[in-house]
Amino acid sequence: EAGVTQSPTHLIKTRGQQATLRCSPISGHTSVYWYQQALGLGLQFLLWYDEGEERNRGNFPPRFSGRQFPNYSSELNVNALELEDSALYLCASSLAYSNQPQHFGDGTRLSIL
Amino acid sequence: GNSVTQMEGPVTLSEEAFLTINCTYTATGYPSLFWYVQYPGEGLQLLLKATKADDKGSNKGFEATYRKETTSFHLEKGSVQVSDSAVYFCALSDETSYDKVIFGPGTSLSVIP
Repeated sequence: EAGVTQSPTHLIKTRGQQATLRCSPISGHTSVYWYQQALGLGLQFLLWYDEGEERNRGNFPPRFSGRQFPNYSSELNVNALELEDSALYLCASSLAYSNQPQHFGDGTRLSIL
Repeated sequence: GNSVTQMEGPVTLSEEAFLTINCTYTATGYPSLFWYVQYPGEGLQLLLKATKADDKGSNKGFEATYRKETTSFHLEKGSVQVSDSAVYFCALSDETSYDKVIFGPGTSLSVIP
């Protein structure tokens, strides 16, 4: 079974630009989650999508947004990039039922110059 | 609200030493509990899980027992190896929240030969 895949692996941008990160969930998983992991810090919850709808959002500004497509893949968009957006962005997927574990991709390393 | 507390790291052990990483939680419902591991440069991997009180999750020599009376889920391994060097995250999913998984801050483990 293919795991969660994320692309690109690395992304280098400059301040003010826009970044798009992509995630393909495990087959059969309808929920997709996005997390930010800044260097030396834990996971910060960004967004949760299920069945194409945004279900919950973490404490991040509106320039962090995303969507989920009919095939359950997802995009995370970050507009007006700032230096502090430099981090590892992790995507996870799970079955839709409660108490299900999340399965993670290897992340996209976003570097802002 | 729900929360997860872990012992602070970093933890440094010699090879073959006994490992304990403490984890306690607060939850309003009946959570499922998880341990995830993150190796350098990778995403998180589910290490083990327990879904009800007194359940013991185990994998790759690691164990954790769901203790409802002490609201704890401590991770243990009898003999660590250098390859166990990673960051370990305790997490919970609560059926009453039907929401994102709540992660602890992570504990960094370094095993030296």
